Amino acid sequence: GENVEQHPSTLSVQEGDSAVIKCTYSDSASNYFPWYKQELGKGPQLIIDIRSNVGEKKDQRIAVTLNKTAKHFSLHITETQPEDSAVYFCAASTETSGSRLTFGEGTQLTVNP
Amino acid sequence: NAGVTQTPKFQVLKTGQSMTLQCAQDMNHEYMSWYRQDPGMGLRLIHYSVGAGITDQGEVPNGYNVSRSTTEDFPLRLLSAAPSQTSVYFCASRKQGSTEAFFGQGTRLTVV
Repeated sequence: GENVEQHPSTLSVQEGDSAVIKCTYSDSASNYFPWYKQELGKGPQLIIDIRSNVGEKKDQRIAVTLNKTAKHFSLHITETQPEDSAVYFCAASTETSGSRLTFGEGTQLTVNP
Repeated sequence: NAGVTQTPKFQVLKTGQSMTLQCAQDMNHEYMSWYRQDPGMGLRLIHYSVGAGITDQGEVPNGYNVSRSTTEDFPLRLLSAAPSQTSVYFCASRKQGSTEAFFGQGTRLTVV
């Protein structure tokens, strides 16, 4: 089955700096890659996603890039703010509909004021 | 709009006890699923359903049962709790044709 690895497990940045989280996947059939943000005591919430026919997608301060050949994708957060502090999960699915997601281990991002 | 509602939020069980984690969604979503979240392991799929009357196993189904008698509800049953089932459980739902999954706030379960 699919295996998703995520790095780093913890990331601390200064407010205003950029943060990058990287994930690799094993199943070349995977074609849907969402990113979730989980705040303390809450469930994960989708922040951005990308499909395999696209190399990059941006939404304000958040961007995701995908390299299908190398089977890795990354989350980029620019101009970080304290409210960006949370656990971020990447995921992959072999179905475009995303009904069965395989998650990475998570990254605890801390943005220091 | 309540979204995905999980009850209870916290639960402590003794080894061997049974219980049901409740999950309800009011968005008329066809797809529902259960995940468990353990430190350093992300979220792992336990069971999922693509519609009323249809369920299937995920990555870690052993020790758990599910049923889907209505579109709204997707309960997760632990027949004989074990300490290895100590975890945070999340229910999620998604509308057919959409890719966004909506998660509940989780149930923190401790088995002693």
